[in-house]
Amino acid sequence: QKEVEQNSGPLSVPEGAIASLNCTYSDRGSQSFFWYRQYSGKSPELIMFIYSNGDKEDGRFTAQLNKASQYVSLLIRDSQPSDSATYLCAVNEGVSGGSYIPTFGRGTSLIVHP
Amino acid sequence: EPEVTQTPSHQVTQMGQEVILRCVPISNHLYFYWYRQILGQKVEFLVSFYNNEISEKSEIFDDQFSVERPDGSNFTLKIRSTKLEDSAMYFCASSQGPTRETQYFGPGTRLLVL
Repeated sequence: QKEVEQNSGPLSVPEGAIASLNCTYSDRGSQSFFWYRQYSGKSPELIMFIYSNGDKEDGRFTAQLNKASQYVSLLIRDSQPSDSATYLCAVNEGVSGGSYIPTFGRGTSLIVHP
Repeated sequence: EPEVTQTPSHQVTQMGQEVILRCVPISNHLYFYWYRQILGQKVEFLVSFYNNEISEKSEIFDDQFSVERPDGSNFTLKIRSTKLEDSAMYFCASSQGPTRETQYFGPGTRLLVL
């Protein structure tokens, strides 16, 4: 059973602070890693993806991947109240023929208070 | 900006009835997916579809489920004999390519089985 674990939160941070969201996964064969943002009652929206060990930055967001530790994180700098949402970590295993089956975590609820 | 659309937005049905959920993927995308999210739970992969056939399916996608691309634009999910536990939000997604490609999610269909 492939697992993707996230702390459900809520993680509460003041406006302007750095929010740090973490995710661990069980399948060492996982090849690609995604962070989605999901507002209540809405569909997931891709924020970032990362494939290689290290950091990847996009605006206020930085994804960090450590395959040896089976750990992926998302940092949100200068957090805004509009960042308040549930953040989903998704991990794709690679299967033959280029297809994949994504596994999602339960998500971490982030609250950014003014 | 192109987007994935889904109809209906809400569907209420009686247990044992058949339902068809419809999706129009982004026009130049080749890979299509269905996910479900039971209220308060994680997003779960159901099935991926490419070149008019199923690429991958999860354990959830049993014989009561089927998918079809009846024409050049629509992608449907049929649930043959609905059960109470099928009540969930169903998301369609599409991508240009497999594995590492970004998936774009539709707004979802909220299915309620009574």
